[in-house]
Amino acid sequence: KQEVTQIPAALSVPEGENLVLNCSFTDSAIYNLQWFRQDPGKGLTSLLLIQSSQREQTSGRLNASLDKSSGRSTLYIAASQPGDSATYLCAVWVIVDGLTFGKGTHLIIQP
Amino acid sequence: GAGVSQSPSNKVTEKGKDVELRCDPISGHTALYWYRQRLGQGLEFLIYFQGNSAPDKSGLPSDRFSAERTGESVSTLTIQRTQQEDSAVYLCASSLGTGNIQYFGAGTRLSVL
Repeated sequence: KQEVTQIPAALSVPEGENLVLNCSFTDSAIYNLQWFRQDPGKGLTSLLLIQSSQREQTSGRLNASLDKSSGRSTLYIAASQPGDSATYLCAVWVIVDGLTFGKGTHLIIQP
Repeated sequence: GAGVSQSPSNKVTEKGKDVELRCDPISGHTALYWYRQRLGQGLEFLIYFQGNSAPDKSGLPSDRFSAERTGESVSTLTIQRTQQEDSAVYLCASSLGTGNIQYFGAGTRLSVL
């Protein structure tokens, strides 16, 4: 059974820093990997999707990489802002199992 | 609508009652997914539909849970004889097809007393 682990569980940094969130998964037979953010009391917002054949995706200040063979992904956030404060979730898609989520990294950006 | 809509947003029920949760996906999205998030825990996949069919129902927690989808649109998740451990936020998502970006609704917060 696929397991997804996210490190660190929580992170607090000053505004303006660049930071990296880590995600690892146990079964490399994934179809794709998605990064989401979850704000308190709200649903999930998709940030980036990387297909299994891709190595990275970029959107604005966000860059996500995927090393499928080693079962790892990173989410890089450049020039962090207080509005980036949220819980960031990594999830892998295996067709019959749906998305398997990590428990998330709770990120606080200090003004 | 512009996004995935779920109703009700909150539901409080008594143990043993049946509840029905509704999800309206984004128009044109053929794939629809249900997830559950218990307090302090990660998201748990329940079931997905491609069109009106659900290829695999093994993710449903027990036989008290059932889901259906009609007209490649609205889906309902039904929980019979609710138990306190069913208390959670139930999230629905949709995508253009399986393997595409999933867009989530705001969820239904279910509290079983």
